[in-house]
Amino acid sequence: EPEVTQTPSHQVTQMGQEVILRCVPISNHLYFYWYRQILGQKVEFLVSFYNNEISEKSEIFDDQFSVERPDGSNFTLKIRSTKLEDSAMYFCASSRGVYTEAFFGQGTRLTVV
Amino acid sequence: AQSVAQPEDQVNVAEGNPLTVKCTYSVSGNPYLFWYVQYPNRGLQFLLKYITGDNLVKGSYGFEAEFNKSQTSFHLKKPSALVSDSALYFCAVRDIEAGGGADGLTFGKGTHLIIQP
Repeated sequence: EPEVTQTPSHQVTQMGQEVILRCVPISNHLYFYWYRQILGQKVEFLVSFYNNEISEKSEIFDDQFSVERPDGSNFTLKIRSTKLEDSAMYFCASSRGVYTEAFFGQGTRLTVV
Repeated sequence: AQSVAQPEDQVNVAEGNPLTVKCTYSVSGNPYLFWYVQYPNRGLQFLLKYITGDNLVKGSYGFEAEFNKSQTSFHLKKPSALVSDSALYFCAVRDIEAGGGADGLTFGKGTHLIIQP
């Protein structure tokens, strides 16, 4: 069964450093998403991506964040200068269409020290 | 703005008994509603969705949910709970009329479901 895969599973970085979180969405899906879940809190929407551009973004997704689909298979989330409060589980998701369910990856746990 | 409320942090049910996990929502238009389950150290797994049609939706692992427009609720149910159903359950909503783009889901805070043997 096809699945969304994310790498790495855990990333530790120093405050102020740049990180790139990687995702391989399901191959025939057209819509891609990033969500985050701070420990003990609810899952929060960050950004959606369709047709090589951002479709929607939340207020969390400020200028420190960017997304890219560099090669037609990977979908990346970059945080330019990490802050302690960026520590969270980051989930990538993809869906076939805008009105279909999203499938989530296993997540990348980002720890900023 | 859209929102989801899951009023219970935790639900405890004895194995074999029916279970209900509550969810209420708020959207300005018509809702798309979803339930996801999260096992420890895992991602979110899709359980079921309501888009349109029958108010009773059947999903994976014997779960079902009933859409009630007048009460703005979408409670998750299962007739007979299993110990393996113990997990964190999230309700999520999207407003159908909120633009035409790939709008993100708004999740509830989650409900821990604990099934006791």
